[in-house]
Amino acid sequence: GAGVSQSPSNKVTEKGKDVELRCDPISGHTALYWYRQRLGQGLEFLIYFQGNSAPDKSGLPSDRFSAERTGESVSTLTIQRTQQEDSAVYLCASSLERVAILNTGELFFGEGSRLTVL
Amino acid sequence: AQSVTQLGSHVSVSEGALVLLRCNYSSSVPPYLFWYVQYPNQGLQLLLKYTSAATLVKGINGFEAEFKKSETSFHLTKPSAHMSDAAEYFCAVIPSGGYNKLIFGAGTRLAVHP
Repeated sequence: GAGVSQSPSNKVTEKGKDVELRCDPISGHTALYWYRQRLGQGLEFLIYFQGNSAPDKSGLPSDRFSAERTGESVSTLTIQRTQQEDSAVYLCASSLERVAILNTGELFFGEGSRLTVL
Repeated sequence: AQSVTQLGSHVSVSEGALVLLRCNYSSSVPPYLFWYVQYPNQGLQLLLKYTSAATLVKGINGFEAEFKKSETSFHLTKPSAHMSDAAEYFCAVIPSGGYNKLIFGAGTRLAVHP
């Protein structure tokens, strides 16, 4: 499809396990974002990738969280030794480039990956 | 740090009634402000944006928002609610110097009753 694709859509895991979430941005979008949405809360910025620049990791909540992006395509968000407080919907978004935020504010979001840590 | 506050996590209106969703921002400089909407089982999508041009901004589906600097507000309105407007609405701001990300409010879930 032409939109941002995320997988899995739902993931249930046990506390202490590692999980990997995947995001396929829109083709040609150089900027990619990860946000976290806990129940009843707003979207929490996690990390941002822009082309070959160093990612902005300022939102990652702990060193258990990491993300990678291959060139300007797929990104994976990895959570190690999951905790119950990691339960949330993890949203990925992409945009043409960073400056697109100034011009349009338009991020294109996927439907999210719902993570439940038991 | 710049942020947005959405008053009311849940708003319920009757079909045909006025929709008013409140958003206040904290910023020492004129901000860039946005409203996003998330329909059930869909990703967020941009509804409208304020980028220091006209203070009254029109968006999709009949929604509009007015930037009021004196009140530090950017409330979202629609004159007549439709059943299809039921969704979650998020106000967002670009922090000064942080052009690479949006800061979102906690969201307001709008319910529309017949």
